Amino acid sequence: DIQLTQSPSFLSASVGDRVTITCRASQAISHYLAWYQQKPGQAPKLLIYAASTLKSGVPSRFSGGGSGTEFTLTISSLQPEDFATYYCQHLNTFPLTFGGGTKVDVK
Amino acid sequence: QIALKESGPTLVKPTQTLTLTCDVSGFSLDTSGEGVGWIRQAPGKALEWLAVIYWHGNERYSPALKSRLTITKDTSKNQVILTMSNMDPVDTATYYCARRQGITMNYFDHWGQGVFVTVSS
Repeated sequence: DIQLTQSPSFLSASVGDRVTITCRASQAISHYLAWYQQKPGQAPKLLIYAASTLKSGVPSRFSGGGSGTEFTLTISSLQPEDFATYYCQHLNTFPLTFGGGTKVDVK
Repeated sequence: QIALKESGPTLVKPTQTLTLTCDVSGFSLDTSGEGVGWIRQAPGKALEWLAVIYWHGNERYSPALKSRLTITKDTSKNQVILTMSNMDPVDTATYYCARRQGITMNYFDHWGQGVFVTVSS
């Protein structure tokens, strides 16, 4: 199974900050990675797939990068609605797996 | 407007079989490229993928739970059904269904609201 390790697990930030979350895969997965945002009591929402393709309607302050084993999710200027937990997911081999999550909260 | 909604029991006893239904709208379960997956999340824990079914009927399961899971679809009713046998308290979680997309990949672009299932005697 492909293991996904996210870092950090927790991140304290302020509105306007540039935030970067890392997801490392236990083996190379090319560009087969997605990022989701989840707020308390809500279902996850897809932000990015294929490592860097922004889902339609997702604000452009979100961006994804990387390939192989190391990937990043960057929020260029953190907004109040961005405080949430973020998960990565690999996309093309089974079993599909998710990372452990990164919680972004208020500094 | 694409929508998915889960339904099923919110409380099951240990050893019982859980049956969850996902009602979908805004897309067809037999359209090429479509699929529906189930993902669960134990309280305070990360997401865990369970199963997926494709438009052509093929299914894939989490190896850890494969012996206990069955995923089916009823295209005429626009429903995807997940059964999980021999439920245990560790299976207490929110269960989500989600639409799967991607040509060579499997990402979930629309999710249901989830149903929280408690396993307790």
